[in-house]
Amino acid sequence: GQQVMQIPQYQHVQEGEDFTTYCNSSTTLSNIQWYKQRPGGHPVFLIQLVKSGEVKKQKRLTFQFGEAKKNSSLHITATQTTDVGTYFCAGVSSNTGKLIFGQGTTLQVKP
Amino acid sequence: GAGVSQTPSNKVTEKGKYVELRCDPISGHTALYWYRQSLGQGPEFLIYFQGTGAADDSGLPNDRFFAVRPEGSVSTLKIQRTERGDSAVYLCASSSLGGGPSTDTQYFGPGTRLTVL
Repeated sequence: GQQVMQIPQYQHVQEGEDFTTYCNSSTTLSNIQWYKQRPGGHPVFLIQLVKSGEVKKQKRLTFQFGEAKKNSSLHITATQTTDVGTYFCAGVSSNTGKLIFGQGTTLQVKP
Repeated sequence: GAGVSQTPSNKVTEKGKYVELRCDPISGHTALYWYRQSLGQGPEFLIYFQGTGAADDSGLPNDRFFAVRPEGSVSTLKIQRTERGDSAVYLCASSSLGGGPSTDTQYFGPGTRLTVL
């Protein structure tokens, strides 16, 4: 079945360093969504990308959707301690319309 | 209410028992979703309601799991003959557009942590 893989699983950075998480799908996606889950919290919707090659920015966060619509990335510039949490991508299969979450990348930021 | 609420926040039960988990969506949201999240994993889709009907229940793992939404608002996830493998956080989400999980922005509740001993 369809799989959505995220790497890395964990990332520890010093405050001020950049951070990137990558999301790869085994099948073409119609769109991709990104969520953030704080420790002990629930997933919070960040953004949705729909178009091939799309790039969206939210302050220090940059989201990209690959040209082939099979991969995506989230880049955080100059991390802050408030960025701590697990970042999930969730891809929607072009074939089935189902939303499949990746296993997440957990970010730790050392002050 | 201001957001999605779920009760109880924690549920501990014994193997073989029956449990009910409740979700109260954001007022006016027509779509409601149930997910299961195991430790270190992303949410796993279980079922999606549009109004009172289950539009997609393909994620329910087996016939021990059942969900209802009789009046198109509150939903209850029911698990019969619980097993230790059912232990997880059960998340509920709601959305307003009704386009389904592939297009709608979903607002998640705090979840119910189910522990089966």
